[in-house]
Amino acid sequence: KQEVTQIPAALSVPEGENLVLNCSFTDSAIYNLQWFRQDPGKGLTSLLLIQSSQREQTSGRLNASLDKSSGRSTLYIAASQPGDSATYLCAGGGFSGGYNKLIFGAGTRLAVHP
Amino acid sequence: EPEVTQTPSHQVTQMGQEVILRCVPISNHLYFYWYRQILGQKVEFLVSFYNNEISEKSEIFDDQFSVERPDGSNFTLKIRSTKLEDSAMYFCASSDEWKPEGGQYFGPGTRLTVT
Repeated sequence: KQEVTQIPAALSVPEGENLVLNCSFTDSAIYNLQWFRQDPGKGLTSLLLIQSSQREQTSGRLNASLDKSSGRSTLYIAASQPGDSATYLCAGGGFSGGYNKLIFGAGTRLAVHP
Repeated sequence: EPEVTQTPSHQVTQMGQEVILRCVPISNHLYFYWYRQILGQKVEFLVSFYNNEISEKSEIFDDQFSVERPDGSNFTLKIRSTKLEDSAMYFCASSDEWKPEGGQYFGPGTRLTVT
C-alpha cells in the first residue's frame, strides 16, 4: 500500500530563513508529485507539479525536486515570509494500483514569525 | 484562469438526511475526482470518474455514496443517509485527459457538518 510521509510535522522559523520540507513515498512507480498549500479551514492551492520525467520545478521563491529512485521530494522555500505560514501538503499520483488518484501526506504546518 | 468551483461552501445537515455536493470542473477536463478531509486528518481519495462511470473508488466510498454527471458541466457527490462521521471538508478535482501528468486542479471545498 502506498504511503506518503512528510517531515517535519511542524516548523516554526524566523522571517528570512530558507526552508526545506520533506516528502517521502514508498512506491517509486510515481507518475507525478504535487505540492499544495492549505490555509486553515480553506481549500488546496497547487504550488508546483513535478512530472515523473522531471527532476525539479521552480516558481518564484519555491523549488521542488523529485528523486524517484530514493522515493523523495523536497520543497525548498527561499527567504521565508510571514505570509508563507500555512500547511504544505505533498501528494503523489499514478502509483501502481492506483493510477487515477492522489495519495496525500499529512502535511507540514509552517509558521514564519516576524 | 479556469478554476473548479464547488457549492455550497458550507452545508449543515441532520444525521440520516441526504446531501448533494456540487462541483463544476474545468470545462475541457474529462477526469473528475472527489476527496475528503476530516478535521485534523489527511486528505483522502474517495472516487474518480471518467466517461460517465467510476474508474476507481476507495474503501470509504460505500453504497451510501454515489456520483453523477447530470449534465455537461456539473459533477455531484451524493450521500444518501449521512452519519456523524461524514462530517468533513469535501474537495472536487478535475484533470485533463490528454495530459494526465498535468496534475489535478482542486476546488475550494464544501464543509459538511452532520449534526
